[in-house]
Amino acid sequence: EDQVTQSPEALRLQEGESSSLNCSYTVSGLRGLFWYRQDPGKGPEFLFTLYSAGEEKEKERLKATLTKKESFLHITAPKPEDSATYLCAVAGATNKLIFGTGTLLAVQP
Amino acid sequence: GAVVSQHPSWVICKSGTSVKIECRSLDFQATTMFWYRQFPKQSLMLMATSNEGSKATYEQGVEKDKFLINHASLTLSTLTVTSAHPEDSSFYICSGSRREGQGVDTQYFGPGTRLTVL
Repeated sequence: EDQVTQSPEALRLQEGESSSLNCSYTVSGLRGLFWYRQDPGKGPEFLFTLYSAGEEKEKERLKATLTKKESFLHITAPKPEDSATYLCAVAGATNKLIFGTGTLLAVQP
Repeated sequence: GAVVSQHPSWVICKSGTSVKIECRSLDFQATTMFWYRQFPKQSLMLMATSNEGSKATYEQGVEKDKFLINHASLTLSTLTVTSAHPEDSSFYICSGSRREGQGVDTQYFGPGTRLTVL
């Protein structure tokens, strides 16, 4: 059964304190792993797609990496505006996304 | 690019009435559109998948007669919640998918619609 597990459930950081969020997955025939950001009361905002192990992508203070079993979202020197829930999802044989439960990130000034 | 809109952003209705939610891809043609619902502090739950001009495919446990989906064009899908009841109150989010790198579809989400049934 395809499954996505994210950890930690919640993370509190001081502004400037770098950290990483984890997304572990099991899927038959990974076609893509996706990271989204979701603010309260809003729909998810697309961040990255990773297609194969070893791939890395960056956007501002965020960097996503992928191995055969997990993905990391590294946040470098976060700012309060980075506070959000970060969702990881995988696409297997179908176009359907299987989501993890998310990591709620709070960055304090 | 890849902007998806939803209308309305929130709606309050009386029990027994029907509510229609629109989902539009504004700057791209979505090969497929998806409808999700999200409960507080939970992740997204896929309700159905729809392609233009064909019947929607519903996930197990989702009543197709209660949640009517119409996919009139490559940029518009609608979800109608029929005979709504308080237990249908939720946050409904749609997405449109676009074929991108390596032949994989990326889903872009709308801002969501908060439905409250009194």
